[in-house]
Amino acid sequence: DAGVTQSPTHLIKTRGQQVTLRCSPKSGHDTVSWYQQALGQGPQFIFQYYEEEERQRGNFPDRFSGHQFPNYSSELNVNALLLGDSALYLCASSFDRGSSPLHFGNGTRLTVT
Amino acid sequence: EDQVTQSPEALRLQEGESSSLNCSYTVSGLRGLFWYRQDPGKGPEFLFTLYSAGEEKEKERLKATLTKKESFLHITAPKPEDSATYLCAVQAVGNQFYFGTGTSLTVIP
Repeated sequence: DAGVTQSPTHLIKTRGQQVTLRCSPKSGHDTVSWYQQALGQGPQFIFQYYEEEERQRGNFPDRFSGHQFPNYSSELNVNALLLGDSALYLCASSFDRGSSPLHFGNGTRLTVT
Repeated sequence: EDQVTQSPEALRLQEGESSSLNCSYTVSGLRGLFWYRQDPGKGPEFLFTLYSAGEEKEKERLKATLTKKESFLHITAPKPEDSATYLCAVQAVGNQFYFGTGTSLTVIP
């Protein structure tokens, strides 16, 4: 049973560029959430997708956008990259019922130079 | 404001030296409290979910407990392979998860 998979594992971009990160949820999960984790910090909630719609959003600017596809996979897009966007980007999937734990992928390490 | 605070930030233990990690929280309507383990360069790995005060969960050398304001992760006779960052998260009524900054545990052989 495949867990959450993310691609790419590492990425280096230049300030001002755009980036797309991809996530496939754990089999059977229908909800995908994206988190940003800076070094030494806990994950910060970016947004959550369910039924191909953004259901909740954290305190992140509109430069951060996403998409969920009919097969539940998801993309995170970041435009006009800033140096401060350098972080580990984590995708988490879960069931949309009850209080279901998040299951995380190993993340994409984004470095903005 | 929903908030999660973990202490200590870092903990060094000798192999076999038991201790506890603390997670205190302020949340409007707790749906669940979650503990995760995170190894360097990896995503968080789910350990436990606790739903109500008084609940306890155990897995190998780890035991998690929950009160109305905090949770403890007790580590009994730790081994070097228990070294990792332990994250606590709470799920509020709006379904959003709030994470603490974690406790970095190092177990010395």
